[in-house]
Amino acid sequence: QSVLTQPPSASGTPGQRVTISCSGSSSNIGRNYVYWYQQIPGSAPKLLVYKNNQRPSGVPDRFSGSKSGTSASLAISGLRSEDEADYYCAAWDDSLRGYVFGTGTKVTVL
Amino acid sequence: EMQLVESGGGLGQPGGSLRLSCSASGFTSSSYEMNWVRQAPGKGLEWVSYISHNGKTIYYADSVKGRFTISRDNAQNSLYLQMNSLRAEDTAVYYCTREDGAVAHDAFDIWGQGTMVTVSS
Repeated sequence: QSVLTQPPSASGTPGQRVTISCSGSSSNIGRNYVYWYQQIPGSAPKLLVYKNNQRPSGVPDRFSGSKSGTSASLAISGLRSEDEADYYCAAWDDSLRGYVFGTGTKVTVL
Repeated sequence: EMQLVESGGGLGQPGGSLRLSCSASGFTSSSYEMNWVRQAPGKGLEWVSYISHNGKTIYYADSVKGRFTISRDNAQNSLYLQMNSLRAEDTAVYYCTREDGAVAHDAFDIWGQGTMVTVSS
């Protein structure tokens, strides 16, 4: 059961900026850090953003995360063909006492 | 290289059991909280279970509570998921993940390659 809501799809041409939203509640995004994962079909997910807006070593600065209240977003600037993947937001939920993932957004590079 | 390798997946009977294992290498797993995350075919990610570094704190998703048991053997750098009373809806790729550990309930910074579990008669 996905508690965080994302748009099912997003697209853009190479070089464009794409933004993915993630909507939650006070028990998850409102109180805890948001994480973003990238999953290329057939592969395991990979951490893209942690602590709302921090990038692990090796993740290009084209990827940026932000959070406001009970929502978060991931922006991909300078879109590239290799960015075609599924993207998931996630957060700890204090009420459920577990992690919750977003519904996932498929990004297509046109 | 830090990595996680899952094993134990396969075909399980409805109502039956399977035990998944996850072997950690390249780091000392006893210092980290660990989780299992699953993904049904064509579906999104679903968190399954969490275990603290010392095994004293455990959480489960409602969908598996009372049926699955997470455990770890820090001496063997291993994580386990005992899956009982299997249902068709448990069919998924199961990923073992490591929490970064800088803060409570941190990001999953290392993922295994996943092991497929199929529940069918």
